[in-house]
Amino acid sequence: DTAVSQTPKYLVTQMGNDKSIKCEQNLGHDTMYWYKQDSKKFLKIMFSYNNKELIINETVPNRFSPKSPDKAHLNLHINSLELGDSAVYFCASSYRGGSYGYTFGSGTRLTVV
Amino acid sequence: RKEVEQDPGPFNVPEGATVAFNCTYSNSASQSFFWYRQDCRKEPKLLMSVYSSGNEDGRFTAQLNRASQYISLLIRDSKLSDSATYLCVVYILTGGGNKLTFGTGTQLKVEL
Repeated sequence: DTAVSQTPKYLVTQMGNDKSIKCEQNLGHDTMYWYKQDSKKFLKIMFSYNNKELIINETVPNRFSPKSPDKAHLNLHINSLELGDSAVYFCASSYRGGSYGYTFGSGTRLTVV
Repeated sequence: RKEVEQDPGPFNVPEGATVAFNCTYSNSASQSFFWYRQDCRKEPKLLMSVYSSGNEDGRFTAQLNRASQYISLLIRDSKLSDSATYLCVVYILTGGGNKLTFGTGTQLKVEL
């Protein structure tokens, strides 16, 4: 039933490690996004993909690499994790254009220690 | 200047009160507007779209003033369950793709 699902829900890892977050949507949307919500609760877009094609890359460090194997999946791989990467990462999806709003996943809470 | 600005609050109101939130946006090319609701440690969920003519959904009324680049949300007869953070969101379609830009949110606490 879940529309946009992310795994894992929680991720605690040490500095310098590499980790991945997975996202899948079953809404038939063709565009998917990664947002980061920092400790001040500010939600900021990181990437968007439309039909596996990267559309938006918002000045995110190269350590972050999104991958979209198909339009229903968008994964986020993070290399050499830093303390400042600690945040909640939300996946979202929409129909192209997104003018009707996005549907968000429940988030992945990443803590780097 | 932030693209979407909101008063962070918190707004502490008694149950049954009417409360209004305001939001301003800086990009005049913004095309669609929304209010999202975010409960503590949960994902944002669409509360309502905001139309130029203003629109109502039960106890919630949204208004848009494009000339002033201003959006508002009015909640009547507040319930305890309305306690959450309300995010003002604008949608911009650019050559680089579409995106929703979020305000930092206004926290509402409804009390007995």
